[in-house]
Amino acid sequence: KQEVTQIPAALSVPEGENLVLNCSFTDSAIYNLQWFRQDPGKGLTSLLLIQSSQREQTSGRLNASLDKSSGRSTLYIAASQPGDSATYLCAVRRETSGSRLTFGEGTQLTVNP
Amino acid sequence: DTGVSQDPRHKITKRGQNVTFRCDPISEHNRLYWYRQTLGQGPEFLTYFQNEAQLEKSRLLSDRFSAERPKGSFSTLEIQRTEQGDSAMYLCASSSGGGWEQYFGPGTRLTVT
Repeated sequence: KQEVTQIPAALSVPEGENLVLNCSFTDSAIYNLQWFRQDPGKGLTSLLLIQSSQREQTSGRLNASLDKSSGRSTLYIAASQPGDSATYLCAVRRETSGSRLTFGEGTQLTVNP
Repeated sequence: DTGVSQDPRHKITKRGQNVTFRCDPISEHNRLYWYRQTLGQGPEFLTYFQNEAQLEKSRLLSDRFSAERPKGSFSTLEIQRTEQGDSAMYLCASSSGGGWEQYFGPGTRLTVT
């Protein structure tokens, strides 16, 4: 059974700091990994999708890396802003699970002005 | 592109009542998913449709739950004889193409009193 773990569970940083969020998964036979942002009481916004054959993806100040063999992904946020405050979720799609995503519990990020 | 929409956004019901939620995916997305999210947890997969065919169902989807996508466009999720444990955010997502990137709606928050 695929399990996804995110560390830390919560993170508070001052504005302008660069930060790294971690995601690990137990079964390396994944098809892709997706990072999402969720604001309180809202749905999920897709940030980045990394296919299993890729090592990283970038979008603006966000960079996500994938090390499939070790079962790890990181989300790097450069020059953090108060508007980045949200819960960040990673999710994996296994090769053999059809289409379902398995989510971690998320990292709650607070960026202080 | 209007994104995934869900209706209603909030639903309060008494234990034992039936409720139905609707999801309209991004137009021309042939895949549609339902997830459930409780407070402080990541979303959990419930079921998946490709066009009008329901191809996957989670063990979480007890016989009180039923989902349909009659014409391969919008979908409904019905919960019969609601229980307090059904209180959660119900999220819908859609995708298309080979990348399988999932796009989520704003969710329906269900409160069972």
